[in-house]
Parts: sequence; structure tokens; C-alpha cells
Amino acid sequence: NAGVTQTPKFQVLKTGQSMTLQCAQDMNHEYMSWYRQDPGMGLRLIHYSVGAGITDQGEVPNGYNVSRSTTEDFPLRLLSAAPSQTSVYFCASSPIPYYEQYFGPGTRLTVT
Amino acid sequence: AQTVTQSQPEMSVQEAETVTLSCTYDTSESNYYLFWYKQPPSRQMILVIRQEAYKQQNATENRFSVNFQKAAKSFSLKISDSQLGDTAMYFCAFMKSPGSGNTGKLIFGQGTTLQVKP
Repeated sequence: NAGVTQTPKFQVLKTGQSMTLQCAQDMNHEYMSWYRQDPGMGLRLIHYSVGAGITDQGEVPNGYNVSRSTTEDFPLRLLSAAPSQTSVYFCASSPIPYYEQYFGPGTRLTVT
Repeated sequence: AQTVTQSQPEMSVQEAETVTLSCTYDTSESNYYLFWYKQPPSRQMILVIRQEAYKQQNATENRFSVNFQKAAKSFSLKISDSQLGDTAMYFCAFMKSPGSGNTGKLIFGQGTTLQVKP
């Protein structure tokens, strides 16, 4: 079991570029989510999904887009990268109801 | 809205000793879950312990235990017999329980960096 996988592990972007952070899970979890981690602020929810075809905004959704076409995959798209999006991004999944969330290894993104 | 506060940005402890990390939260919910996550230098988020608010008994997992004070909205983590591998950032987190508008959202505190010294 691979659990939750994320690619890439590291990425550097220039301001204005777009990219997609990939997240996949092989546990057949209905729930998937994206968090960003910034120093002194813990993790904050960006977007989440309760199943294929269903997504919703979290606490800090601006500048990010998501879709969920399959149970396994939940990509996060940065439409036009900004330095404020420099952060570490975590994908997580869990069965419903949400007793425990399983986190991926994270992606460190730097926007210059 | 729920908030989680960890007032100790950094702590240190000698190997084999006991350390307690503090966490307070604010909510109007009566049923919810509380968690402690560990983030070692590898960056991986690891669940340490979980407490369900309706359970009065404090959760324990081997060397890790919590002191859950529901009325005071306090949820501290005690690590006994500290080991070098316990060096990490620790996050306290809150989640509403199912049936109370739970969207699976975890609300995290700011984190406490724990250094275990040999």
C-alpha cells in the first residue's frame, strides 16, 4: 500500500507561472483535502472533496483550483503563482466519517 | 468559529524525562475530536493520539498520553521517557464530530517544536 502520494516533492516557480500539484491515494478513501503549511500558522485547509465530482472551498482557497474526477486523484492547480503561495503543501485523505486523516509527504513550493 | 492555540513555540527536554505540551481550543460544539500530530524533520505528518470529546477517559498510546479538560477546553500532550526520535514539531488539531456539520476539516494550532537532548 502506497498510502497518499504527492508529486513533485520540491518545485520552484516564477511569478505568474501555473502548475499542478498531484495527489493520489490507493485506500479508496472518499474524502481528500489540501492544506498549506506556513511558519507560525500551522496547517490551513485550501480545498476538500467528499467524493468524485464533489469539491468545496476551505479556509484559504484563493489562487487555487481543484477537481476530482476519480476517487484516487485530487490535483491542486495554481493558476498564476504568486510569492505568497510559497509554502509546503500537504494532501490528506480519510474514510467518511473522518476519524483519522492520512497525510502525504508534502510538496515544498517556492515562488520567486 | 473554532480556534486552536499552542502557546509554547519551542520546548526542550532531556532524554528519558517527561515533557508536557499545552493546547487550548475554543468551540461551542459539544461533540468533537482532538488530535496530536507529530511532524519530524522528514516533514511527514504522523498521528500520535486522538481523543473523542464525549469520552471522559484520557487517551493513551504507549509513552504518549493526554490530559483532556473539556470544561477548561484544554488538551495537553504528555510524553514520558522522552527519546531522541521524539524530536519534532507537534501540532494540536480540532475536528467537529460527524452529524454536526463536519466537513472533515482539521483546525490546527501553530505548532510546538520539541527538542529532545541526549
